[in-house]
Amino acid sequence: EVQLVESGGGLVQPGGSRRLSCIGSGFTFSTSWMSWVRQAPGKGLEWVANIKQEGSETNYADSVKGRFIISRDNTNNSLFLQMNSLRAEDTAVYYCAREDQVTTRPSYYYYVLAVWGQGTTVTVSS
Amino acid sequence: IQMTQSPSSLSASVGDRVTISCRTSQRISDYLNWYQQKPGKAPKLLIYAASTLQSGVPSRFSGSGSGTDFTLTISNVQPEDFGSYFCQESVSNGYTFGRGTKLEIK
Repeated sequence: EVQLVESGGGLVQPGGSRRLSCIGSGFTFSTSWMSWVRQAPGKGLEWVANIKQEGSETNYADSVKGRFIISRDNTNNSLFLQMNSLRAEDTAVYYCAREDQVTTRPSYYYYVLAVWGQGTTVTVSS
Repeated sequence: IQMTQSPSSLSASVGDRVTISCRTSQRISDYLNWYQQKPGKAPKLLIYAASTLQSGVPSRFSGSGSGTDFTLTISNVQPEDFGSYFCQESVSNGYTFGRGTKLEIK
């Protein structure tokens, strides 16, 4: 069974740090781009960051750039999100997601968030 | 890329046909995905490339559009279709989502 399981959430003080983890199973982890997506309480989805298969390329949302670092360990099928200088507005459920490349016709490729974990909750509060 | 999704909420009866709109601030061809999210659960991919149904998704779901205007249609709404629906562009390095549409079944 294809599965993603996040961990590491909890209560953090403003200005503090937290490291989230996500372990993949049931698929070849090292061949997939991976993303983090978050959802503040009662709000919509916000893409946070993603990382290429071997970790050589990363992208970040402007809201977390310079504060969060995405990384991966393909040996252990693991994805990480190091969150620093946390703010109240970072309070959210954080999901890891596998990005799949799909096609509808030759030479046309699309990226989708095809597999999601169950999420881990981060609360930033004093 | 800015995403404008409407309506923010709607209520429908079983058997109704509902449409959800998503408009982008730039032309994105058909790089548009739709997700369904049930309360307390992770999102689930419904449609990609604006109109291609993900495997296992019921055929009452359909998508259309290209450029800047897109539509998700649910024909013959079923009780299990309650939840929130999000559009998402996949043309940029950062995947922007719409703000969501909450569907309630009467």
